[in-house]
Amino acid sequence: QKEVEQDPGPLSVPEGAIVSLNCTYSNSAFQYFMWYRQYSRKGPELLMYTYSSGNKEDGRFTAQVDKSSKYISLFIRDSQPSDSATYLCAMSAPSSASKIIFGSGTRLSIRP
Amino acid sequence: DTAVSQTPKYLVTQMGNDKSIKCEQNLGHDTMYWYKQDSKKFLKIMFSYNNKELIINETVPNRFSPKSPDKAHLNLHINSLELGDSAVYFCASSDPGAVLPYEQYFGPGTRLTVT
Repeated sequence: QKEVEQDPGPLSVPEGAIVSLNCTYSNSAFQYFMWYRQYSRKGPELLMYTYSSGNKEDGRFTAQVDKSSKYISLFIRDSQPSDSATYLCAMSAPSSASKIIFGSGTRLSIRP
Repeated sequence: DTAVSQTPKYLVTQMGNDKSIKCEQNLGHDTMYWYKQDSKKFLKIMFSYNNKELIINETVPNRFSPKSPDKAHLNLHINSLELGDSAVYFCASSDPGAVLPYEQYFGPGTRLTVT
């Protein structure tokens, strides 16, 4: 079993829809939770981060962490064609903040 | 200004050859990484250096050898290339002393194809 599981998709939704992306994990030591966005033929870039449990909102994006269920989510409101990308969840433990474990990524396509 | 750069961007080579990929960052970061991303987009860490010292060395064949001449550069040399080495290799860097020590900055990737 992988430490981080993510549905690879692809996920295709119409413009303006609410998108929900999810990951589960098995290592209870993880405290830092991140979402990276990767456009085609580019390197990943950090989109959102949270520490421990709770919600965090940044514009149209909301990140949620439920440590009791070992489940994290990213919500995108009013999705735009420019949001089309692969979204990778990522997490690390305080003892090894440099070592990030990535999910396999969900490919998202927003149809105009 | 490119923060993390890699050369070459594309690399096509035959099985058995030896090749190198170079990475440079101008962010002043102390930590650099090599990742391998396979065809299913799974991004897996291979190595990490902090100020020229190896700190992460995942289960990677010893045909792969990283070298860090200084903290701004991390190169990856691959001996006796195999078909399974075909992937996109990403270099990244981070600042352990930053507010977000786990934020990593990625290069554009090197697409390696072994034929």
